[in-house]
Amino acid sequence: DAGVTQSPTHLIKTRGQQVTLRCSPKSGHDTVSWYQQALGQGPQFIFQYYEEEERQRGNFPDRFSGHQFPNYSSELNVNALLLGDSALYLCASSFFGVNSYEQYFGPGTRLTVT
Amino acid sequence: QKEVEQDPGPLSVPEGAIVSLNCTYSNSAFQYFMWYRQYSRKGPELLMYTYSSGNKEDGRFTAQVDKSSKYISLFIRDSQPSDSATYLCAMSVDNAGNMLTFGGGTRLMVKP
Repeated sequence: DAGVTQSPTHLIKTRGQQVTLRCSPKSGHDTVSWYQQALGQGPQFIFQYYEEEERQRGNFPDRFSGHQFPNYSSELNVNALLLGDSALYLCASSFFGVNSYEQYFGPGTRLTVT
Repeated sequence: QKEVEQDPGPLSVPEGAIVSLNCTYSNSAFQYFMWYRQYSRKGPELLMYTYSSGNKEDGRFTAQVDKSSKYISLFIRDSQPSDSATYLCAMSVDNAGNMLTFGGGTRLMVKP
């Protein structure tokens, strides 16, 4: 049973550029959440997708956007990159409904903005 | 002030010691409490979850929740070098798939 997978593993971008990160949820899961984890900090919630719609959003600017596909996979897009966007981006999947607080995380994509 | 506070450590203990990891929180709406373990350069791994107040045991791990004090703990018995990692507490207001709010993590080092 494949767990949550994310691509790419590492990414280096320049300020002002745009980036797209990808996530495939754990088999049987239908909900994808994205988190940003700065070095030495806990993950911060960006947004959550269910039924191809953004269901919840954390305190992140509109430069952060996402998408969920019919097969439940998801993308995170960040426009106009800032140095402060450098972080580990984590995708977590869950099954919407009972016990959906159980979220399973992928290995993350490490984004460096120079 | 952050909603969830966690001592960043590092916490260094000898192999075999009992480890106590703690979080405090300010939002009384939190009902579901999770502990994650995160190895260096890896994603968090769900260790345990509990609902409301009380204790839950799973092998060498015991999670405690005291909602009256807004305080949760994770105890690790007979700690092993392989337990060396960052431990994150996380909380949610319900079980309807809402966002998790994390503490900053405590780095644990278990020395052989």
